[in-house]
Amino acid sequence: NAGVMQNPRHLVRRRGQEARLRCSPMKGHSHVYWYRQLPEEGLKFMVYLQKENIIDESGMPKERFSAEFPKEGPSILRIQQVVRGDSAAYFCASSPSGGRVQPQHFGDGTRLSIL
Amino acid sequence: TQLLEQSPQFLSIQEGENLTVYCNSSSVFSSLQWYRQEPGEGPVLLVTVVTGGEVKKLKRLTFQFGDARKDSSLHITAAQPGDTGLYLCADGSGNTGKLIFGQGTTLQVKP
Repeated sequence: NAGVMQNPRHLVRRRGQEARLRCSPMKGHSHVYWYRQLPEEGLKFMVYLQKENIIDESGMPKERFSAEFPKEGPSILRIQQVVRGDSAAYFCASSPSGGRVQPQHFGDGTRLSIL
Repeated sequence: TQLLEQSPQFLSIQEGENLTVYCNSSSVFSSLQWYRQEPGEGPVLLVTVVTGGEVKKLKRLTFQFGDARKDSSLHITAAQPGDTGLYLCADGSGNTGKLIFGQGTTLQVKP
């Protein structure tokens, strides 16, 4: 998992607060994917971004969730007014280009706990 | 919507035993990938297969891709405690490459 950096590794929020999760892709990678993993489950796709563009957000909840990948700096997944059901591990992955055969390199995730 | 089903869901074996886990898709795979995930870490790519009937070996791991490209198996020979983890199959979907994952097989290898 070397290269893709996610922070914080653990995040605790109270219901109604905002959560910001950061992802710095591997050097040279301009494509970022976010996934969510509930306990004992596989990962669910949320959003796919390239620099400054959201390409596919078909897995994002319609409300409270947003993502960005600015020209400079990390990709951010933002969850507003968190609820208990948002508790999960959030992973980002990066690749040098999009496409179905490009390997994705995952970070070690942010574990979000909602009190 | 494509569904990936993995079996068994849980597997607990003794060191030295052999095992096989399976991944079946409701539709033809575009690009099948196998990952292993250890607790507290992100998934790590083990292999990518794209051609029906393909067999790939990675040390004690053997990956088979069905001729019809709708199923795959992962066979581990002489399992070791270090093989313990969550094994996930995934398909690179559409043109964007977003991954659709199975729910995984949790493997525990006891010393």
